[in-house]
Amino acid sequence: EAQVTQNPRYLITVTGKKLTVTCSQNMNHEYMSWYRQDPGLGLRQIYYSMNVEVTDKGDVPEGYKVSRKEKRNFPLILESPSPNQTSLYFCASSSTQWLHGYTFGSGTRLTVV
Amino acid sequence: KQEVTQIPAALSVPEGENLVLNCSFTDSAIYNLQWFRQDPGKGLTSLLLIQSSQREQTSGRLNASLDKSSGRSTLYIAASQPGDSATYLCAVKSAGNQFYFGTGTSLTVIP
Repeated sequence: EAQVTQNPRYLITVTGKKLTVTCSQNMNHEYMSWYRQDPGLGLRQIYYSMNVEVTDKGDVPEGYKVSRKEKRNFPLILESPSPNQTSLYFCASSSTQWLHGYTFGSGTRLTVV
Repeated sequence: KQEVTQIPAALSVPEGENLVLNCSFTDSAIYNLQWFRQDPGKGLTSLLLIQSSQREQTSGRLNASLDKSSGRSTLYIAASQPGDSATYLCAVKSAGNQFYFGTGTSLTVIP
């Protein structure tokens, strides 16, 4: 089944403790992206990647890092999480031919206390 | 920069009613437009994808239309059911490397 897999689904952590949210897709998509979703603010893009070793900032990159060492994986790293990063996070992928639309993961609910 | 707007932000209808959700965008040079459904706290499920060369797409009780020249898309839901209650988002792929999302319409279908 074609899918984007995020882990973990739920995460509670403390301020300052580094964490990684993983994202993997099995569709051989070149384009991958991370979003956060907050009430009243909609989906906001954090980072995206056009292909292996090619990443770029989205609208809200501060406090986040990403890497794209393999085509299928695009982890999101919070090196020193803060409470304002409490949010619902989504990973998504697409081919760069843009023919089959955007596929989303199931989301990661992160709480930073 | 592309801007995507969805009006209304919330909609409540009785079961069985046909309804239309609206999505407008400012730049007509798009690759495609996609409609998603999101249940509370859940992921985005793709409903329909319309390529820029297409005028509409249908899936079951759902029909999405696209008018690039006017910068509008509509999602028509026939014979609404309580299970259709969710937030509906539209997303536009324009030139450049980003997708642009509306803020969604929250639909409640009353039994």
